[in-house]
Amino acid sequence: DAGITQSPRHKVTETGTPVTLRCHQTENHRYMYWYRQDPGHGLRLIHYSYGVKDTDKGEVSDGYSVSRSKTEDFLLTLESATSSQTSVYFCAIGGISYEQYFGPGTRLTVT
Amino acid sequence: GESVGLHLPTLSVQEGDNSIINCAYSNSASDYFIWYKQESGKGPQFIIDIRSNMDKRQGQRVTVLLNKTVKHLSLQIAATQPGDSAVYFCAENMPGAQKLVFGQGTRLTINP
Repeated sequence: DAGITQSPRHKVTETGTPVTLRCHQTENHRYMYWYRQDPGHGLRLIHYSYGVKDTDKGEVSDGYSVSRSKTEDFLLTLESATSSQTSVYFCAIGGISYEQYFGPGTRLTVT
Repeated sequence: GESVGLHLPTLSVQEGDNSIINCAYSNSASDYFIWYKQESGKGPQFIIDIRSNMDKRQGQRVTVLLNKTVKHLSLQIAATQPGDSAVYFCAENMPGAQKLVFGQGTRLTINP
């Protein structure tokens, strides 16, 4: 987890409220990713970024948006949280090779 | 900690034995593969990687074998220790994109 932090680490929110998760890196890696991890589904890509202001959708992007205004920060926003978005969210960073390094995760509960 | 999978394949081994974890990948065009270890309550941790121009790669107590003919990847852990208890994921690159596709994972349990 060195060089990658996620905040908050735990959050409980109500259905319909907006939520923003933050990923911060100190490695100056170009690529950043947001995944969710659910029992029976493994790690699924939500959105990723290939540079400042450059982002693209992953396989489960509906209901999520992202922003990257500087190299070190990648924000994931749930515009209106739903119970199906209860999950553990991981941020990852990557360089020019394919390997990715993961943060410690954020456990989000939507009630 | 978080439950990474309710019905994950499970491998139980005795402490000190060697462990072999298997993974079938889906895309014959994939040319890069990674193994990750995830302990309870933590993020996945990079263990070892291999490119498709290799059949075998060794690290410290770990070896990855790649069989491209049958699209199979394996992770061998020598002299398994209690700290090896975790869920292990394989991942393959998505050709043409800077993305990975992850397998479901295998839970490794070490018996004393």
